[in-house]
Amino acid sequence: NAGVTQTPKFQVLKTGQSMTLQCAQDMNHEYMSWYRQDPGMGLRLIHYSVGAGITDQGEVPNGYNVSRSTTEDFPLRLLSAAPSQTSVYFCASSSQGNTLHFGNGTRLTVT
Amino acid sequence: GNSVTQMEGPVTLSEEAFLTINCTYTATGYPSLFWYVQYPGEGLQLLLKATKADDKGSNKGFEATYRKETTSFHLEKGSVQVSDSAVYFCSGGSNYKLTFGKGTLLTVNP
Repeated sequence: NAGVTQTPKFQVLKTGQSMTLQCAQDMNHEYMSWYRQDPGMGLRLIHYSVGAGITDQGEVPNGYNVSRSTTEDFPLRLLSAAPSQTSVYFCASSSQGNTLHFGNGTRLTVT
Repeated sequence: GNSVTQMEGPVTLSEEAFLTINCTYTATGYPSLFWYVQYPGEGLQLLLKATKADDKGSNKGFEATYRKETTSFHLEKGSVQVSDSAVYFCSGGSNYKLTFGKGTLLTVNP
């Protein structure tokens, strides 16, 4: 099984550009989430979804949009990138029991 | 809201030394507690977990006990190896919403 797959691994954007970070899981997990990891800050929850068609905001949702049209996919959209969004982004999924399975991350730099 | 506070480090040890990384939590109710590990260039992997008070999670020689009276979930290992070098995250929560500590970088020297 591939588990949780994130693309791209690296991305450089200019301020104001838009892009979508892709996340797919093949474990039929109902729950998916996006975190950002910044030095000295740990992981902070951006958005999460408890099933197809259902999304909700986490701790730091501003500047990001999500949708969940299928169980497998949970893309994260940056509509107008800002330097403050320079970070490493992790997608995670889980079924019952709250054990998260993480992707390998996308390192985003906004100049 | 929930919060997790862990020893920030960095922690540097010699091989075969004893490891403790402290973690305390603040939450309403009784959250499940976890330790995740992140090796360089990778995502986080579950190391161990405990779902109720007095539970002990263990894996790969690491242990942590869910102490409700002290709201703690300290990570311990009796004899660390070079391969244990990584960043360790304590986390807790329920209903699919986990709160993470800031992470502790562990370096084990031969």
